[in-house]
Formats: sequence, C-alpha cells, structure tokens
Amino acid sequence: EIVMTQSPATLSVSPGEGATLSCRASQSVSSNLAWYQQKPGQAPRLLIYAASTRATGIPARFSGSGSGTEFSLTISSLQSEDSAIYYCQQYNNWPSMYTFGQGTKLEIK
Amino acid sequence: EVQLLESGGGLIQPGGSLRLSCAASGFAFSAYAMSWVRQAPGEGLEWVSVISNNGVSTYDAGSVKGRFTISRDNSKNTLYLQMNSLRAEDTAVYYCAKHLGAVAAPGDHWGQGTLVTVSS
Repeated sequence: EIVMTQSPATLSVSPGEGATLSCRASQSVSSNLAWYQQKPGQAPRLLIYAASTRATGIPARFSGSGSGTEFSLTISSLQSEDSAIYYCQQYNNWPSMYTFGQGTKLEIK
Repeated sequence: EVQLLESGGGLIQPGGSLRLSCAASGFAFSAYAMSWVRQAPGEGLEWVSVISNNGVSTYDAGSVKGRFTISRDNSKNTLYLQMNSLRAEDTAVYYCAKHLGAVAAPGDHWGQGTLVTVSS
C-alpha cells in the first residue's frame, strides 16, 4: 500500500500571502497525484490532477508541482475563502487503492 | 451540469446491511469510472471502492473487502454500494465520485454525501 504523508498538519497564513503545502508518497506515483480542497460541511473539490494540471474552473492562484514521491500545492495571494483542509491523493495503482494523505488544514489569519 | 445525488444512508445496528445509491445526471454515465469515498466524523478521506465504466472491473479497500460490493446500472445512471456486516468503524459520510476518465483518474465531481451511522 502506498502511504501519502502531508505536511504541515496546520498552516496559518495572512491574507495576500502565499502558502506551500507538501505531500510525500512512500513510493513513486509518477505524476498520478491530485489535490482536493474541502470546506466544512462540503464535499471535496478537485483542484489539481496529474500533479500540475488545474481542474476546470480553478483559479490560476492554485498551482501544483512535483513527480515521483515529492509534490507540492502552492496557493498565491491567499483569500479568506481559501480556508479549508487540503488533501492529496495518489491514483497510480489501478486497480488498487487510491490513497489519500491525512490533510493539511489551512487557516487564513 | 454534473449532478450526483446519494441516498440510502441512516442508522443501522452493527451486523446489519444497507444499500447506498448514487443517481447521476448531466454526463455520459457509462463512459466514466465511479468510486465511493467515505469520511468518518472529524477524520480524513478514505477511498472505499471503485468500478470501471462498464462495471467489469471493481476493487475495494482492504477495510471493506468481502463486506461491501460496488455495482452500477448504466441503464439507470445509478451507482450502488451494498454494505453488509456493518461495524461501528464504518460510521461515516459516504460520497460518490465521478472519475475524470474511464480509467485510473481522480474524482472530478462529488455528491454531497449520505451519512451512515452504525450503532446499537
């Protein structure tokens, strides 16, 4: 089983600043990595897939990078609405498991 | 507009069975793989089961293998999750998710979820 580890667990940033969230895979997942945003009481929303491709309707403030085992999600010009939990997910092992990271809680001060 | 509407959740005693449904609309349902993903109260996301677009291939997480069965009816644009031998640790919001493509891909649209509570 591939284990996905996210860091930090919690991040507190001021509006207008940028934030970088990290995700590490226990073995290579190539570029088969997605990022999701989840706000309280809502379903997850796909932000990034294939490590760096923005999903439909996602602002350019969100960008993803990495391959293999190290990935990052960068959010620039943070806004209050960006407060959420962010999850990474690998989908490399078809038809095996699609493992999620434990999440990073992003707080906007 | 893609819409996914889950139903069938509720309170069930340990050892009981429940069938969840996910009614899909706004896209060519038979062209996409689908998954069930769950989230226990206050916890993170856990992928549960996936089914290929034609229903031929399925795979379940180890935590539910042998107890849960994913299926689909492409004529009814509906995804199902049959859950048997339910345990307290199966308590969660269950989401259905449409995959981005017909093969291994992330979920690009999600339903709002249905709550399953396993308790005596």
